This record gives sequence, structure tokens and C-alpha cells, in this order.
Amino acid sequence: DAGITQSPRHKVTETGTPVTLRCHQTENHRYMYWYRQDPGHGLRLIHYSYGVKDTDKGEVSDGYSVSRSKTEDFLLTLESATSSQTSVYFCAISESPRPPGYNEQFFGPGTRLTVL
Amino acid sequence: EDQVTQSPEALRLQEGESSSLNCSYTVSGLRGLFWYRQDPGKGPEFLFTLYSAGEEKEKERLKATLTKKESFLHITAPKPEDSATYLCAVQVGPGSQGNLIFGKGTKLSVKP
Repeated sequence: DAGITQSPRHKVTETGTPVTLRCHQTENHRYMYWYRQDPGHGLRLIHYSYGVKDTDKGEVSDGYSVSRSKTEDFLLTLESATSSQTSVYFCAISESPRPPGYNEQFFGPGTRLTVL
Repeated sequence: EDQVTQSPEALRLQEGESSSLNCSYTVSGLRGLFWYRQDPGKGPEFLFTLYSAGEEKEKERLKATLTKKESFLHITAPKPEDSATYLCAVQVGPGSQGNLIFGKGTKLSVKP
């Protein structure tokens, strides 16, 4: 299994509070991604990183920010959590976006976030 | 707009009853099509990557194929442990940073 951990694994918070989710990898992969998974929508990209301090927005980035100060860590912050951000959040990593053979993404175990 | 559609949404099979899952896509500049397996409460587990029409890959009871418009995941003589949700995703380019577009998945149940 790819060495990806996410913390916390479960979190319950209240509307309006800031929340930070952490993704940690031991594979030294350059690319890291944050997705959210909701019933009826499948996995959707929030933000991604293509190197230390290099990040960009995905499909559903409103209300989220990210930071990557080290290769191994990618943080996702909900600046002011809302009930619509209740979801399961997955981190993924890959060596490169270039095919063939290097652009597979490997996923972490997920964080279940509930915003009350 | 790039789009990925999986069918059926759910599939129930008896153990040993072979079948296929479908993933159709409309994208510009396909750089790869990926199949994942996801068990309840876990992250997606990578199965296959396909890059060009006509390509096939196999792993145990699973075989993935690709045409210019769709991919099939064939399951031969399934067992109850094959029960899971199977996700299809595409990576598009050029200029892509590796972002994946996912279908909504097919939930497979295999009964003994």
C-alpha cells in the first residue's frame, strides 16, 4: 500500500469554525490532491499541488484553502466550515501527471467530516 | 464539457455469474483511463490504467478494456469478496496537472 495517512480520520465540528485536515505521504511523490466524495456526485477535486508551495484550484475550491510547506505534507483548511462541507475527504498522490506508467493516483484512507 | 458516466449504478450477481461494468466518456485529449475499487469506509484502491483504444489489462478475475468512447470492466466468475464499488476516472490533457474526472461508480454485490 502507498504510504499515505490522513488525520484526523473522523471529525465533528460546528458551523463557522476553522478546520484543518492533514495528508502525510512517505513516497516522496511530487503531486498531491484533495478530493471530496458525496453521494450522487462521486469524487470531485478541491485543490492540488505540483510541488512545495505550488498549488492550484480544482473543480470545487470555494471555501477551501491548501498549503504545502514540505513534500510529505499537504494541508486542507476549511476557513469557516458550513454544513455543505460535510463530506468524506480523500488525499491522493502521484509521481507525475505524464503517462504512461507514472500518472496513477493512490489514495489515502479518508477523513469523515461532519459540520453541525 | 468532459464527462464520465458509469452504468449500471448497481449490479447484483450470484457467485460465478460473469458480467461487465461500463464506463463511457466524452473528453478531449484522453491521457489515461483508470479503474479503482472502493470498499465501504476506505479510500479507492488502484486497479488498472489504460492509455489507448484496444488496450486490455487483467488482474485475477478482472479484465479492463478500452475503446475510443468507453471502457469495460469484465468480471469473470465473481466471488463474494469482489463486492465493492468500482470507480472509473479519466485524466485529460494536454496541460493537465494530473487531475482526474470520476464517474459516480457501480456498486457490485456478489451473493454466495
